[in-house]
Order: sequence, then C-alpha cells, then structure tokens
Amino acid sequence: QKEVEQNSGPLSVPEGAIASLNCTYSDRGSQSFFWYRQYSGKSPELIMFIYSNGDKEDGRFTAQLNKASQYVSLLIRDSQPSDSATYLCAVRVWGGGSEKLVFGKGTKLTVNP
Amino acid sequence: DTGVSQDPRHKITKRGQNVTFRCDPISEHNRLYWYRQTLGQGPEFLTYFQNEAQLEKSRLLSDRFSAERPKGSFSTLEIQRTEQGDSAMYLCASSSTGTSGQLEQFFGPGTRLTVL
Repeated sequence: QKEVEQNSGPLSVPEGAIASLNCTYSDRGSQSFFWYRQYSGKSPELIMFIYSNGDKEDGRFTAQLNKASQYVSLLIRDSQPSDSATYLCAVRVWGGGSEKLVFGKGTKLTVNP
Repeated sequence: DTGVSQDPRHKITKRGQNVTFRCDPISEHNRLYWYRQTLGQGPEFLTYFQNEAQLEKSRLLSDRFSAERPKGSFSTLEIQRTEQGDSAMYLCASSSTGTSGQLEQFFGPGTRLTVL
C-alpha cells in the first residue's frame, strides 16, 4: 500500500510569514509529486508539481523535493489570509497500465491577519 | 469555461435509491479519473479511464458502483442501492500529456452526495 503522510495541522501563521508544509511518501520509486489547495467545501486546485530533486519556484510558492529522504515540501512566502485552506500532497502511482494520484490527508493552514 | 464540469453539484437521496453522476472533462483530455473524498480525508481513487477503456477500478468500488465513458468523452458514475456510507464528495479529474509530460490532473467542482 503506497502511502502519503502529512501533518494534519492545523498550522497557523501570521500574515506575511513563511508557511512550511511537509509531506513524506512510502514508495521510493515515485517520480511525480503534486500540491493541491482546497478551500472548504470546494474541490482541489493544482498549485504546483515537481519531479526533480531540488527546488521549484512559482511566485510565492516553492516546492522542494528530496527523493533520497522521500520528502516533499511546499513553502508559501508572504502568506496572505487568502492562503488559508487545506493543502493536499499527492504522489503519482503507475502500475498495470494505469495511473492515479495517492493523496495525503492534507494540512489545514490558517493565516492570521 | 473550459474546465472539468460535474452534474449535479449536490444530490440528496434516500437509502436504497440509485444515483448517477456525470463528468465532462476538459476538451481533448483523454484520461479521466473518479475520486471520493470524505470529511478530513484526502481524495481516494475510485477508477481510471483512458479514452473509453476503464483501466483500473479500486477495491473501494463495490459491485454497487459502475462507471462508464462510452465515447471517450463524458463519464458517468452510478451507485445502486445507496447506503449512508456512500455519503461523500465525488470528484472527477482529467488529464493529458501536455507540455510538461507530467499528466497534471485537474479536478471538477465535485458532486456532494448525502444519503439519508
């Protein structure tokens, strides 16, 4: 059973701070990793993907991947109250001609004004 | 709007009734996925289509669940003899190879099912 683990939180940061969200995965062969943002009552929205070791930056968001440690993280700089949401880490799994995402339970982030 | 669409957005039904949900993927996306999400959990994979072929069906899907994608475009998910444990958000996603080759999945708004 391939697993993805996230701290459920809640994680609370003041406005303007850096929010750090972490995720570990069990399948060492995993190659593709995704971060989704989900507002309460809404569906997941893709915000970042990463598949190479190191950092990938997109605006205020930076995804970090360390395959040796089986660890992926998301940093949100200059956090805004509008960033308050649940952040889902997902890992792509291939097998038997099929592919799917395996999600963690999500980390709830609250940015306080 | 060219995103993934789902219908209905909300469905309330009584235990034992049948329900059917529809998903229209992003135009020309050949891959389509159904997931189910309950409160406090991440989405859980249900089934995957590549074009019209259903290539994987999760063990979460009992015999009461069936999904189709008859022409490789829209998909339907039917639940027969609904049970209270079926209450959840049913999410559809679609993807294609795209420029990154990473098959990013884009989700529709979901159908929230409540079984009374």
